[in-house]
Amino acid sequence: QKEVEQNSGPLSVPEGAIASLNCTYSDRGSQSFFWYRQYSGKSPELIMSIYSNGDKEDGRFTAQLNKASQYVSLLIRDSQPSDSATYLCAVNTEYSSASKIIFGSGTRLSIRP
Amino acid sequence: EPEVTQTPSHQVTQMGQEVILRCVPISNHLYFYWYRQILGQKVEFLVSFYNNEISEKSEIFDDQFSVERPDGSNFTLKIRSTKLEDSAMYFCASSVQGLRETQYFGPGTRLLVL
Repeated sequence: QKEVEQNSGPLSVPEGAIASLNCTYSDRGSQSFFWYRQYSGKSPELIMSIYSNGDKEDGRFTAQLNKASQYVSLLIRDSQPSDSATYLCAVNTEYSSASKIIFGSGTRLSIRP
Repeated sequence: EPEVTQTPSHQVTQMGQEVILRCVPISNHLYFYWYRQILGQKVEFLVSFYNNEISEKSEIFDDQFSVERPDGSNFTLKIRSTKLEDSAMYFCASSVQGLRETQYFGPGTRLLVL
């Protein structure tokens, strides 16, 4: 059973601080990794994608991937109250010509003013 | 910016009834997906669809479920005889390619089976 594991939280971070979200995955053959943000009652919204080991930065967000450790993380700098949401780690498993995403259960992030 | 759309936003049905959930993927996308999320639980893959056929399906996607692309724009999920446990948010997603491509999610249809 291919799994994606996340700490469910809630993770409480003061406004302006760095929020650090972590994720591990079980399928060593996974190739694509995503962070989605989900507000309550809404659909997942893509924040970042990462495919290679190392860091990838986009604005206030940095994704980090370590395939040897099967570990993905997301850093959010200068956290804002609007960042309060559930963050879903997702991993692509590839079958034939299409692929499915396996989601973690999400980490609830709360930014306190 | 192009987006995936879904109708209806909410659907209430009686157990045993058939429901059809509709999706319009992003126009140049070739791969289509359905996911569901039971309240308080994780998002779960149901099925992927490419070139007018199912590419992959999960164990959740049993004979009660079917998908169809009836025309050039719509992508539907049919549940033949709904059960109480089918109550969930159903998300449609699409991507340009299948492998390593970002999947863009629609707003979802909240299905309640009574």
